[in-house]
Amino acid sequence: AQSVTQLDSHVSVSEGTPVLLRCNYSSSYSPSLFWYVQHPNKGLQLLLKYTSAATLVKGINGFEAEFKKSETSFHLTKPSAHMSDAAEYFCVVSEYGNKLVFGAGTILRVKS
Amino acid sequence: GAVVSQHPSRVICKSGTSVKIECRSLDFQATTMFWYRQFPKKSLMLMATSNEGSKATYEQGVEKDKFLINHASLTLSTLTVTSAHPEDSSFYICSAKLAGGADTQYFGPGTRLTVL
Repeated sequence: AQSVTQLDSHVSVSEGTPVLLRCNYSSSYSPSLFWYVQHPNKGLQLLLKYTSAATLVKGINGFEAEFKKSETSFHLTKPSAHMSDAAEYFCVVSEYGNKLVFGAGTILRVKS
Repeated sequence: GAVVSQHPSRVICKSGTSVKIECRSLDFQATTMFWYRQFPKKSLMLMATSNEGSKATYEQGVEKDKFLINHASLTLSTLTVTSAHPEDSSFYICSAKLAGGADTQYFGPGTRLTVL
């Protein structure tokens, strides 16, 4: 069965500094991997998606993630944090079929 | 594109009453919709998978008689919480997949249910 581990429950960065949100996955097959963002009391917005094409995936708002099969990782990065990036981020895995499995989430705080 | 709406965004009801939540795909057809529940400070838990024109598939531990799901058209799924109790208070989020599309799910904004 697939699973997702987000290694940090909270990450705090200063505005303008890089962001790194870590995610490790476990999957029996070639997975699809996603990062979603959720702002307070809002639904989830898709940031980016990996589906076995390029291992470096670029998403919206300057975010990108790199799929590393040898490390079973799919970390999310952004070169320069903005105040509007403060939110909760979910790493998600999907194998063939419909079911998504969510990580526990990482709350990103951006300090001015 | 790929916008999903939910109605209502917030609902407060008395214990013992039933509440219906609608999930609509506004600009695409969705053969499959999903219902999730999110507890405070927790991740999303899949409750059920809903396919248009057929019965929903519920996850283990989710009471199908309490959480009634109907997917009558390619753009609308409804979740009815029957005989609601305070422990049913939660944030309910739906998502939809494009008909014939890949496994990307597009999420609605969620419905905050409070049962008094």
